[in-house]
Amino acid sequence: AQSVTQPDIHITVSEGASLELRCNYSYGATPYLFWYVQSPGQGLQLLLKYFSGDTLVQGIKGFEAEFKRSQSSFNLRKPSVHWSDAAEYFCAVVTTYNQGGKLIFGQGTELSVKP
Amino acid sequence: GAGVSQSPRYKVAKRGQDVALRCDPISGHVSLFWYQQALGQGPEFLTYFQNEAQLDKSGLPSDRFFAERPEGSVSTLKIQRTQQEDSAVYLCASSRGQGNQPQHFGDGTRLSIL
Repeated sequence: AQSVTQPDIHITVSEGASLELRCNYSYGATPYLFWYVQSPGQGLQLLLKYFSGDTLVQGIKGFEAEFKRSQSSFNLRKPSVHWSDAAEYFCAVVTTYNQGGKLIFGQGTELSVKP
Repeated sequence: GAGVSQSPRYKVAKRGQDVALRCDPISGHVSLFWYQQALGQGPEFLTYFQNEAQLDKSGLPSDRFFAERPEGSVSTLKIQRTQQEDSAVYLCASSRGQGNQPQHFGDGTRLSIL
């Protein structure tokens, strides 16, 4: 069965430091991959997506992610974290392309930012 | 509207009551999804509509859960005879169509069953 694993439940980084959030997926073929961010009491906002092509994708708010097929990973990175980046981050995969594409989410990683 | 709208934002009900949650998707979006997000967890798929057709309801946890989208736009998720384990945030998302189209989420309805 398809699954997404985010190994880190909670990460704390200092403002201005770099960030990497890990995501591993389980799927036989190349999936469509997404990163979403959720602030408290809010819905999910799309940060970036990977479908095919260049394995390094750029998103909003200065985030990027790299797809590594050999490691079944799609890690999210940001070179310099801002206090406003504190939120919950979800990695997700779509595998049912022909039916709208239901998302399978990881458990999420909560990011805290120290001043 | 500009985004996906869900109402109410908060709903408190007593165990055994029926509840109805509404989702107004982005205009023109063909696909509509419902997800359930328990506290501290990622969202889990409940059901999917393409226009008015419910093509996948494999995630509905029991026959107490029912969703409809009669005219292919607004959708309602109904939960009958609510139980405490139904307490969660219910998220609605819409997209233009196929699986490579990103889903746009509403702010959710937080349901608390007492």
